[in-house]
Amino acid sequence: SQQGEEDPQALSIQEGENATMNCSYKTSINNLQWYRQNSGRGLVHLILIRSNEREKHSGRLRVTLDTSKKSSSLLITASRAADTASYFCATSRAGTYKYIFGTGTRLKVLA
Amino acid sequence: NAGVTQTPKFQVLKTGQSMTLQCAQDMNHEYMSWYRQDPGMGLRLIHYSVGAGITDQGEVPNGYNVSRSTTEDFPLRLLSAAPSQTSVYFCASSRRDSYYGYTFGSGTRLTVV
Repeated sequence: SQQGEEDPQALSIQEGENATMNCSYKTSINNLQWYRQNSGRGLVHLILIRSNEREKHSGRLRVTLDTSKKSSSLLITASRAADTASYFCATSRAGTYKYIFGTGTRLKVLA
Repeated sequence: NAGVTQTPKFQVLKTGQSMTLQCAQDMNHEYMSWYRQDPGMGLRLIHYSVGAGITDQGEVPNGYNVSRSTTEDFPLRLLSAAPSQTSVYFCASSRRDSYYGYTFGSGTRLTVV
């Protein structure tokens, strides 16, 4: 079974609004990463948060990590039509080197 | 820099045929992985490698072989293609500390008929 599960599966918002998507995982992790995938393309790394970090920012992205709840959230502020994509979380279990991806959130930003 | 290069981009195989998907990276990354992506399933890890000569199985390794004789190359071999292996295959590489995450190739779209 997948290590990470994103929620919601799909999200549709207006340009300028904020988009929040969540990721839950099952085991202790080394770190958690978020990726973006535009339709039919390879994934692009957005941000990494380590297990001892609680919050991280990068431009319009804000990631939080709650290891007690085994969950993370990705906030995209002031969304743009170009943010339309699928977003995936990926985790590596503590003590391993393999990254397992979730099923993704499909974000559509309407102009 | 080319990053991660996958070849071919598209391939049609007949059931029972074998083939090798090529993956090469020019960033001197230690870690390399193969994933397959099916509609609604996200990405599933097939095999991964933490360095030349070291490989290990992922979530869905059956029907696939890998080897890592050099840091740069990580080919994926389909031993006897089955329709269930119809998918998009992605190769990815990263530094040992994974800080900048994986760099993905553009994918190989494989259809098995």
